Amino acid sequence: DMQMTQSPSTLSASVGDRVTITCRASQSISSWLAWYQQKPGKAPKFLIYKASSLESGVPSRFSGSGSGTEFTLTISSLQPDDFATYYCQQYDHYPWTFGQGTKVEIK
Amino acid sequence: EVQLVESGGGLVQPGGPLKLSCAASGFTFSSHWMQWVRQAPGKGLVWVSYINFDGSNTGYADFVKGRFTISRDNAKNTLYLQMNSLRAEDTAIYYCVRDAGLPGGMDVWGQGTTVTVSS
Repeated sequence: DMQMTQSPSTLSASVGDRVTITCRASQSISSWLAWYQQKPGKAPKFLIYKASSLESGVPSRFSGSGSGTEFTLTISSLQPDDFATYYCQQYDHYPWTFGQGTKVEIK
Repeated sequence: EVQLVESGGGLVQPGGPLKLSCAASGFTFSSHWMQWVRQAPGKGLVWVSYINFDGSNTGYADFVKGRFTISRDNAKNTLYLQMNSLRAEDTAIYYCVRDAGLPGGMDVWGQGTTVTVSS
C-alpha cells in the first residue's frame, strides 16, 4: 500500500505565523492528493484537492503545492480557528491512504 | 443543504454483526461514488470501502475484506455498511463520505457513528 508520511507530527505556532506541513508519498501519486482539517469531536473538513486547488469556501490563507512524492500545505497567517489536526490523503489508487496527521497547537 | 447522516452504531460483542446506514440529502446521491472512512479512538483517519454510482463496483481495505459489505439504495438515497465478524480493533467512529469525483477528494462528511466492539 502507498505510505503517506506527514511532518511534523505536532507543530506549535502563534496567531499570525506562517505554517508549513509536509506530506511525502512512498511512490509518485502525480497530483492526486487532498488535504483535510479536523477539530476535536468533529468530522474532517475538505480543504484542498489535486494538490493545490482550494475547495470552495476555504479561506485563501490555505494553499497547497507539490507533485510526485512531496507535497506541502501552507497557512500563510495562522488564525485562531486554524488550530486543528491536518491530514493529507492520496487518491491515486486504492487503497486510499492518509498521512498520520499533523496537530497544529497554540504556542 | 447537502448532508450525510449516519446511524446504526453501538456496542456489539466480538464476532457479532452490525449494519450502518447513511442517509444522504441535498444532492443527487446516484451521481456520486461513496466511501466509508473510520477513525479509532485517538488515532488517524483510515479508508475502509468505496462503492460506485450503482453499486456494481466496490472495494475494501484488506483489514475488512471478507467481513464488511458496502451497498447502496439509490431510490432511498442511502448508503450501507454491513459489518460481520467484528473485532475489538474495529472499534472506531465510522464516517460516511461523498466522493467529489474528478479532480478528486472527499468533499462531504457525515458526523460519524460510533462502533464499539467489546464483551
